[in-house]
Amino acid sequence: AQKVTQAQTEISVVEKEDVTLDCVYETRDTTYYLFWYKQPPSGELVFLIRRNSFDEQNEISGRYSWNFQKSTSSFNFTITASQVVDSAVYFCALISAGGTSYGKLTFGQGTILTVHP
Amino acid sequence: NAGVTQTPKFQVLKTGQSMTLQCAQDMNHEYMSWYRQDPGMGLRLIHYSVGAGITDQGEVPNGYNVSRSTTEDFPLRLLSAAPSQTSVYFCASSPDRVGYNEQFFGPGTRLTVL
Repeated sequence: AQKVTQAQTEISVVEKEDVTLDCVYETRDTTYYLFWYKQPPSGELVFLIRRNSFDEQNEISGRYSWNFQKSTSSFNFTITASQVVDSAVYFCALISAGGTSYGKLTFGQGTILTVHP
Repeated sequence: NAGVTQTPKFQVLKTGQSMTLQCAQDMNHEYMSWYRQDPGMGLRLIHYSVGAGITDQGEVPNGYNVSRSTTEDFPLRLLSAAPSQTSVYFCASSPDRVGYNEQFFGPGTRLTVL
């Protein structure tokens, strides 16, 4: 079985603050893929990043950065200098390459981020 | 490319009614899936398909049927709607066979069962 936990249900920040969204995952497989998706108030799901279990390099894309640590089973997402447009629900997700989780993407509960002007 | 399309956008059913949520993609993706989104629970996988003629159950399959007769279409059938099936339903597709790549999501169908 696989599981994704996003312990922060809601986060509220003021514009220009940095914010980190936590994601902790569980899987018995050695090969797996982790994702982050954004769901703005309009409701669509927007892909942000994909990382496989063999690539522990951190990634930066503009104001977004991701920290993948296999030792703590975490894949955290940081927004630097947050903006009002970052207000959304953010989901972390996991799919494993084998066993009973084959082909099944598991999402965390989501973190609601509100950025105030 | 229209991407992933879903119809209808909104639907209200009475308990016991049946209906089909439509999902189509024009990207020639092998992998397609259905999720439901409920407050505080994220998205949960209902059924998925790794190609035409092949479907399998996800986390919450009870009360739903699927079939995959073509690569493009993956309809979700509610056999006898119940209030517990009130939710937002998303269809998704992925370019690889088992969903290891980015999934492309449709706009969603908001279903209310009275």
